[in-house]
Amino acid sequence: KAGVTQTPRYLIKTRGQQVTLSCSPISGHRSVSWYQQTPGQGLQFLFEYFSETQRNKGNFPGRFSGRQFSNSRSEMNVSTLELGDSALYLCASSSNGGPTDTQYFGPGTRLTVL
Amino acid sequence: AQTVTQSQPEMSVQEAETVTLSCTYDTSESDYYLFWYKQPPSRQMILVIRQEAYKQQNATENRFSVNFQKAAKSFSLKISDSQLGDAAMYFCAYRTIGNQFYFGTGTSLTVIP
Repeated sequence: KAGVTQTPRYLIKTRGQQVTLSCSPISGHRSVSWYQQTPGQGLQFLFEYFSETQRNKGNFPGRFSGRQFSNSRSEMNVSTLELGDSALYLCASSSNGGPTDTQYFGPGTRLTVL
Repeated sequence: AQTVTQSQPEMSVQEAETVTLSCTYDTSESDYYLFWYKQPPSRQMILVIRQEAYKQQNATENRFSVNFQKAAKSFSLKISDSQLGDAAMYFCAYRTIGNQFYFGTGTSLTVIP
């Protein structure tokens, strides 16, 4: 099976712009979660989607949003970018998102905001 | 809110030796799940080991084992017979029953040949 893929791998934007990141889960997986990884904060949970519905949400401002399509692919959008949004954005997929399911992580999208 | 603390930003171990990475967490829940993830340099994060809080027996996966002390809210990872491929950033994570994940800030492990 192909692993979790994320596109693009690298992105440079300027403050005020918006960005869309994409995540393709492992075939058959219906749960996709997004995380923000920064050196100071570690990994922080953004949100989880399951069957096209947002099931869980972390403590991020409304500028961060996401969606999931019927094929389980997910996109994350960040509007009005700030310098502090520079980070590695990881997505992870699992079969059903259950607590005993193993999450498989993608390689991440490195976002730099100038 | 749950918090996960990894008090060792960096650790090093001699090849073939044993190293223990520390993790503590804060929660008021009685049921939850704990994980250790490994993130090698420039590579994807992978699951190392998982522990269900309702299980008293410590989880073991080959050379990796945990010391889970629920009352102390401690969840350390022991790596035996360390190998060069074990060099990575290790993250401790807490997962609620409601599927919210909380990660520690990571411990960078160096393996010395």
